[in-house]
Amino acid sequence: GQSLEQPSEVTAVEGAIVQINCTYQTSGFYGLSWYQQHDGGAPTFLSYNALDGLEETGRFSSFLSRSDSYGYLLLQELQMKDSASYFCAVRIPTGRRALTFGSGTRLQVQP
Amino acid sequence: SQTIHQWPATLVQPVGSPLSLECTVEGTSNPNLYWYRQAAGRGLQLLFYSVGIGQISSEVPQNLSASRPQDRQFILSSKKLLLSDSGFYLCAWSPDTTNSPLHFGNGTRLTVT
Repeated sequence: GQSLEQPSEVTAVEGAIVQINCTYQTSGFYGLSWYQQHDGGAPTFLSYNALDGLEETGRFSSFLSRSDSYGYLLLQELQMKDSASYFCAVRIPTGRRALTFGSGTRLQVQP
Repeated sequence: SQTIHQWPATLVQPVGSPLSLECTVEGTSNPNLYWYRQAAGRGLQLLFYSVGIGQISSEVPQNLSASRPQDRQFILSSKKLLLSDSGFYLCAWSPDTTNSPLHFGNGTRLTVT
């Protein structure tokens, strides 16, 4: 099976930088994804890391270390609209194409 | 462009009643289709996924079932709802490639009373 661990809540102030960590345990690995979900809304794709290193997309960056089974999402220049839940997810190469999601990190951005 | 439609947006059903949630995708062919459920304040639990018409894989034993009668249509059903079936149901699709992201519908909030 597979499991993902991420903090349940993180609080930060507008303009700051916040890092959301994710550790995973899987029997195989096809990359780590990150999704954002606002209250009452659908999850939306943010980023994907297949190889070790940092991927940058605007204010958001995602990092992966396969040897450590660890990744993080970095949000810079936080805005109030970044208040949402953030999920890491993995896809296991066992024939099924679906993603297994972590339990999510609720980010509260304060003024 | 591709779009995913999911309905209804909200649903209140009594215990023991049947359920049918529908999801359709436009603008693509042979998508992978998924049903997830999310309890309040929790993560997403995979219920079913499908890689083609009539091909359904179940992840969690339960009183729910899924069907894919057409290439871009995915239906979630139950013959008798339980209180524990309450939650936020999300349909998603992805292209049939390994690293493609999932694209979610707007979800159905189901309350079983």
